[in-house]
Amino acid sequence: GAVVSQHPSWVICKSGTSVKIECRSLDFQATTMFWYRQFPKQSLMLMATSNEGSKATYEQGVEKDKFLINHASLTLSTLTVTSAHPEDSSFYICSARDHGTDTQYFGPGTRLTVL
Amino acid sequence: AQSVTQLDSQVPVFEEAPVELRCNYSSSVSVYLFWYVQYPNQGLQLLLKYLSGSTLVESINGFEAEFNKSQTSFHLRKPSVHISDTAEYFCAVSEAGGYQKVTFGTGTKLQVIP
Repeated sequence: GAVVSQHPSWVICKSGTSVKIECRSLDFQATTMFWYRQFPKQSLMLMATSNEGSKATYEQGVEKDKFLINHASLTLSTLTVTSAHPEDSSFYICSARDHGTDTQYFGPGTRLTVL
Repeated sequence: AQSVTQLDSQVPVFEEAPVELRCNYSSSVSVYLFWYVQYPNQGLQLLLKYLSGSTLVESINGFEAEFNKSQTSFHLRKPSVHISDTAEYFCAVSEAGGYQKVTFGTGTKLQVIP
């Protein structure tokens, strides 16, 4: 199946710093990518829908100024957690929509720990 | 909007026994249905999907799921489980076509007992 990568796989940062997470579709072009976060022992919660060349669409309750999303190319979307705080610690997972198979493929996730 | 209900948060089962993980969905429009598996500290892997056509779909590792429109269900089954099947399983639904915003269930942890 299609491959989606995320970088880094894990990151530890100090409170107040910003962290950028990359999501890449390796063998297909993705006009639409999605960002999720998953708290321990919980399901995935959609944060935002990222569309290539346009602004992201954020879900209710997600601060767009805190979670900056950029989808500058058909294979790359980035999520920047600005001024991170301990409560932002979570598992962040991206997915990319393969229009050819009409299926979303998920990245392996990035574990963010804010100290 | 769509919603997904996974009634069982944990399912313990002995090795080589059959298992069924239940999933019910709610939607006012046509849907796509998915099962994803998540191993500890890993992302999600697509296990199988129903987009259209045959209501019975199968995965390469022996799992199968049947789309039942009248009962709005998409239960996951395997006739004989292995230790390696121990993982969290998420049922998910999206509106057919369109943006494909996926809604996930709360997950079912399958624990295979040797």
